[in-house]
Amino acid sequence: DTAVSQTPKYLVTQMGNDKSIKCEQNLGHDTMYWYKQDSKKFLKIMFSYNNKELIINETVPNRFSPKSPDKAHLNLHINSLELGDSAVYFCASSLAGNYNEQFFGPGTRLTVL
Amino acid sequence: AQKITQTQPGMFVQEKEAVTLDCTYDTSDPSYGLFWYKQPSSGEMIFLIYQGSYDQQNATEGRYSLNFQKARKSANLVISASQLGDSAMYFCAMGPIKAAGNKLTFGGGTRVLVKP
Repeated sequence: DTAVSQTPKYLVTQMGNDKSIKCEQNLGHDTMYWYKQDSKKFLKIMFSYNNKELIINETVPNRFSPKSPDKAHLNLHINSLELGDSAVYFCASSLAGNYNEQFFGPGTRLTVL
Repeated sequence: AQKITQTQPGMFVQEKEAVTLDCTYDTSDPSYGLFWYKQPSSGEMIFLIYQGSYDQQNATEGRYSLNFQKARKSANLVISASQLGDSAMYFCAMGPIKAAGNKLTFGGGTRVLVKP
């Protein structure tokens, strides 16, 4: 059974387009995250949601808008895509409270042409 | 602010030998967690091992052990008896221990290539 799933796995699009990435976890976790991994493999937190509420927003451009319809889902919508948005985007989830490891989804490779 | 430094961009290791991956960190948080993740060429992030800042003993998980030296602010990963399947990128990460929003700060990663 897939713990954290993301769709799509690959996304190729033109500059200026709007696209969404979906994430779902079936682990019963209450906290979900979006990370961005750039071409040099550097991973950086973008957003974190706890019980559908935004709790971390790490100086991400307004073109990125996360949405959490429920605890099991955290989607990422990106407006007006730019070349620099090309990266691998990882969704992750964990339990809040005592520190628990974050479980990552398989990643979505976004290529902006 | 938290910072993680992995000084080894890449390394080779002979199959069946042990390898140590370096990780140093900096934080002002009194409580924090340290993690290691593996990213094979297929791209997924696989959790390997966790060490809490107040844990008295070094963490171990199978062939993985974490050499935690709090005074030196280091959390090196030791992989014993390397296997070809251990070839991957390895990331050290840390995060504060809070009620919620435990964001992870990652190091730049170390690429390990296991030679037969």
